[in-house]
Amino acid sequence: GIQVEQSPPDLILQEGANSTLRCNFSDSVNNLQWFHQNPWGQLINLFYIPSGTKQNGRLSATTVATERYSLLYISSSQTTDSGVYFCAVVGVTGGGADGLTFGKGTHLIIQP
Amino acid sequence: GAGVSQTPSNKVTEKGKYVELRCDPISGHTALYWYRQSLGQGPEFLIYFQGTGAADDSGLPNDRFFAVRPEGSVSTLKIQRTERGDSAVYLCASSLSRAGEQFFGPGTRLTVL
Repeated sequence: GIQVEQSPPDLILQEGANSTLRCNFSDSVNNLQWFHQNPWGQLINLFYIPSGTKQNGRLSATTVATERYSLLYISSSQTTDSGVYFCAVVGVTGGGADGLTFGKGTHLIIQP
Repeated sequence: GAGVSQTPSNKVTEKGKYVELRCDPISGHTALYWYRQSLGQGPEFLIYFQGTGAADDSGLPNDRFFAVRPEGSVSTLKIQRTERGDSAVYLCASSLSRAGEQFFGPGTRLTVL
């Protein structure tokens, strides 16, 4: 099945800093989503972005489908941005065809 | 508009017992998914329903796990003869259509003693 790799695995930043999270995937995708998992375990949708660029406030994301990667940008970080960020994809081919395959996540800590 | 809801939020059971976990998707969403998340890991796909039928159950770990969606809305994940290794958070998601954006419920934390 499709492989998803996220980097970095851990990131510690000061409040106000900018960050870039990367997601590489091994096959063409029908769906790519970025999530923020909060301390209570809820997965919060950030972007549905199988291709192209989107922005939502301080967050933006770009997926270059032909090169099989996606980037999540967080600007002017706040302590409430802390948590785990997951990239998840649905591959065009392969088993589990319609279920999301998740990366291992990036654990982000924003210090005041 | 209500999001995806799951009940119970927590379930503690003893090894060998049977459990049922319920998912109520967003109204009008035809696609429903179950995932399992162990501590420190990303969620792992279990099963996908399109309408009433299980379109893909390739992620179910063994035949102790079964899920139904009899009327194409609410789904129940059933686990027989629970084992300690089944302890995890079970997440449900729904989407408007196949390959559409998936929205997740808050999960059911299952603990098998």
